[in-house]
Amino acid sequence: EDQVTQSPEALRLQEGESSSLNCSYTVSGLRGLFWYRQDPGKGPEFLFTLYSAGEEKEKERLKATLTKKESFLHITAPKPEDSATYLCAVQRTGANNLFFGTGTRLTVIP
Amino acid sequence: DTGVSQDPRHKITKRGQNVTFRCDPISEHNRLYWYRQTLGQGPEFLTYFQNEAQLEKSRLLSDRFSAERPKGSFSTLEIQRTEQGDSAMYLCASSLVEYGRRLTGELFFGEGSRLTVL
Repeated sequence: EDQVTQSPEALRLQEGESSSLNCSYTVSGLRGLFWYRQDPGKGPEFLFTLYSAGEEKEKERLKATLTKKESFLHITAPKPEDSATYLCAVQRTGANNLFFGTGTRLTVIP
Repeated sequence: DTGVSQDPRHKITKRGQNVTFRCDPISEHNRLYWYRQTLGQGPEFLTYFQNEAQLEKSRLLSDRFSAERPKGSFSTLEIQRTEQGDSAMYLCASSLVEYGRRLTGELFFGEGSRLTVL
């Protein structure tokens, strides 16, 4: 059965304090790993898709990396507007839907 | 706005009542998904449509739940005889997938319909 574990559950950072969020996964054949951002009361907003180990994607202050067992979302010099819940999801080979983790709630303090 | 839209955004109902949610996907998207999300959890897959055909249903989708997508455009999710455990955010998402191919890209989510069952 697919498993996605995100850590930490919550993270508080000072503005400018870089850190990383972790997504560990177990899936019988990974088709893709997805990162989403979700603001309170809103739907998830797509950030990145990673397809193979060693792949990296960047967008502004965010960088996502992928290994065979986990993915990291690195946040460099975060700003208060980066505060949100970051969700990781996997798509198993042959599946047509995404399986989500429970997310990491990030708070960036000015 | 050409994103995914959902209606209503909030619904409060009494246990035992029926509720219906509507989703209008991005116009050129042929895939439409329904997910459910409870507080502190990630979205859970309920069902998806390829055009008007409902191709997969999760075991979470009890017989009180029914989804339709007539003419392959908007979709409705109806919950009959609501229970307090149905309280959640119901998320709709859409994607464009080539006919006969697997999902290979991202899902575009709407802002959700929050259901509270009293």
